[in-house]
Amino acid sequence: GENVEQHPSTLSVQEGDSAVIKCTYSDSASNYFPWYKQELGKRPQLIIDIRSNVGEKKDQRIAVTLNKTAKHFSLHITETQPEDSAVYFCAADRYSGTYKYIFGTGTRLKVLA
Amino acid sequence: DTGVSQDPRHKITKRGQNVTFRCDPISEHNRLYWYRQTLGQGPEFLTYFQNEAQLEKSRLLSDRFSAERPKGSFSTLEIQRTEQGDSAMYLCASSPRERRYEQYFGPGTRLTVT
Repeated sequence: GENVEQHPSTLSVQEGDSAVIKCTYSDSASNYFPWYKQELGKRPQLIIDIRSNVGEKKDQRIAVTLNKTAKHFSLHITETQPEDSAVYFCAADRYSGTYKYIFGTGTRLKVLA
Repeated sequence: DTGVSQDPRHKITKRGQNVTFRCDPISEHNRLYWYRQTLGQGPEFLTYFQNEAQLEKSRLLSDRFSAERPKGSFSTLEIQRTEQGDSAMYLCASSPRERRYEQYFGPGTRLTVT
């Protein structure tokens, strides 16, 4: 069945360093890949997304890259800050009349001051 | 706050009881999703509505679960005869017509079945 693998499960970086989270998806029909940030006890928040016709997208300190051939996509956070500490989830859409998402298992990012 | 809202935020119930959760999507969003999230996992899709029509249900949604969106606005998710395995965070998300790929999540309802 369809699935999304995400790694690492935990990541600690020093403030100011970069963080990279990687995901692999299995459904070649997936076309949309969002990333969500979830702080403890709060809702998942959409932070960046990418469509399959684009290889890279950047928004200030956050960027996402997509390799559709290899079915890989990655989140890059530069100049990390303590407020970046959260759990990050990748997802891939699976169009079946809906646009439901298949989520990865999450990465707990800790930015050390 | 004009985001997706869910009520209640927390629910503790005894095994065997019925519970109902409510989701109010962002105004004008015609698509609504329910997901379930257990500790340490990503959200898992449960069901989807386009306007008032329920168009897809996951195999995770047993016969004890039912969802409605009677007027194409708010939605309810009911769990009958709750079991301890139903303990989870139940998340609702909505999508706008013009950007149907995007989903905006509510804060969730945390269910604890004792």
